[in-house]
Amino acid sequence: DIQMTQSPSSLSASVGDRVTITCRASQSISSYLNWYQHKPGKSPKVLIFVASELQSGVPSRFSGSGSGTDFTLTISSLQPEDFATYYCQQSLTTPYTFGQGTKLEIK
Amino acid sequence: QVHLVESGGGVVQPGRSLRLSCAASGFTFSSYAMHWVRQAPGKGLEWVSIIWSDGSNEHYVDSVKGRFTISRDNSKSTLYLQMNSLRTEDTALYYCAKGADYGGNSDLDYWGQGTLVTVSS
Repeated sequence: DIQMTQSPSSLSASVGDRVTITCRASQSISSYLNWYQHKPGKSPKVLIFVASELQSGVPSRFSGSGSGTDFTLTISSLQPEDFATYYCQQSLTTPYTFGQGTKLEIK
Repeated sequence: QVHLVESGGGVVQPGRSLRLSCAASGFTFSSYAMHWVRQAPGKGLEWVSIIWSDGSNEHYVDSVKGRFTISRDNSKSTLYLQMNSLRTEDTALYYCAKGADYGGNSDLDYWGQGTLVTVSS
């Protein structure tokens, strides 16, 4: 199975900060990498698919980059509604594994 | 508007069975793969299973292989997960999610609210 490792596991930041979350795959997954946002009591929401494509309706402050084994999710200017847990997921081969999550908290 | 509604969760003893359902609306159900994803209490997301749009292919995470079966009824726009020989470690909130394509290799672009399964004696 492909292992997905996110860093950091948690992060404290302030409104307006620029934040970067990284995701590393245990083997090359080309661009088959998706990012999700998950808030408590809500269902997960896809932000970025195939590494860098912004899902319709997602604010442009979110961006994704990378290919092969190393990927990043960047939030250019944090807004209050962005405090949540973020997950990467590979969709190259089953099982379509998720990273362990990055909890983004208010500083 | 895409809508996914899971049902069938509950409290069950170890070794027993449960069947989850996911009623879909707002899109052409028969054109898209469907997934089950779970989240154990205090843990992260774990992908569980996928079924192709026409039901021709299905895959599972190793921990549920041989115990869980995914299926779909395209005439009823409904996804199922038959869970047998349940274990305490299967306790989780189970989400159904729509794939963005007819098969694998895509993101999960819509999710339900989840149904809670608790396996306990």
